[in-house]
Amino acid sequence: GAVVSQHPSWVICKSGTSVKIECRSLDFQATTMFWYRQFPKQSLMLMATSNEGSKATYEQGVEKDKFLINHASLTLSTLTVTSAHPEDSSFYICSARDGAGGTDTQYFGPGTRLTVL
Amino acid sequence: GENVEQHPSTLSVQEGDSAVIKCTYSDSASNYFPWYKQELGKRPQLIIDIRSNVGEKKDQRIAVTLNKTAKHFSLHITETQPEDSAVYFCAASIYAGKSTFGDGTTLTVKP
Repeated sequence: GAVVSQHPSWVICKSGTSVKIECRSLDFQATTMFWYRQFPKQSLMLMATSNEGSKATYEQGVEKDKFLINHASLTLSTLTVTSAHPEDSSFYICSARDGAGGTDTQYFGPGTRLTVL
Repeated sequence: GENVEQHPSTLSVQEGDSAVIKCTYSDSASNYFPWYKQELGKRPQLIIDIRSNVGEKKDQRIAVTLNKTAKHFSLHITETQPEDSAVYFCAASIYAGKSTFGDGTTLTVKP
């Protein structure tokens, strides 16, 4: 199946700093990528939909100025958590849609564990 | 928007027994229904999916059924094994649109 990588796998930062997370589709082109956050023992909460070459679409309640998303190429999307605070600590997971052949399958990255001190 | 409800939240079965997880959705326009398995600290893995033009799909010990009229779909795992223990999520989406996930079911298979 298709492979999606995510970097870094974990990060610890001080409150007030910014953290960038990369999501890459390694063997397919992803016109659409999604960013989720997941709290312990909870479901995936969609934060935003990222389309290559255009602005991301954020879900209600997600601060677009705090969670900056860039999708500069068909294989790379980045999420930057700006001025991170302890309440931003979470598991962030990206997914990339492989629409080739009409499959419309989403493949998830391995996730990034963010801890803000 | 779409609303997906998943039941039960926890499920414990004996090894070799079957496990069934059910989901309902609200948006009749949804036409793609994947199921994911997530082990602790890892990414969700697609285990099976079904589209609205099909009523049932099977892959070895895993099967999914879809009732479009009632707007519900179910995951069936037969001959469960301890390695099937994980959190399972259902999801619903319109083709090429965003997915809405259920709250997850923690499946425990006792040896």
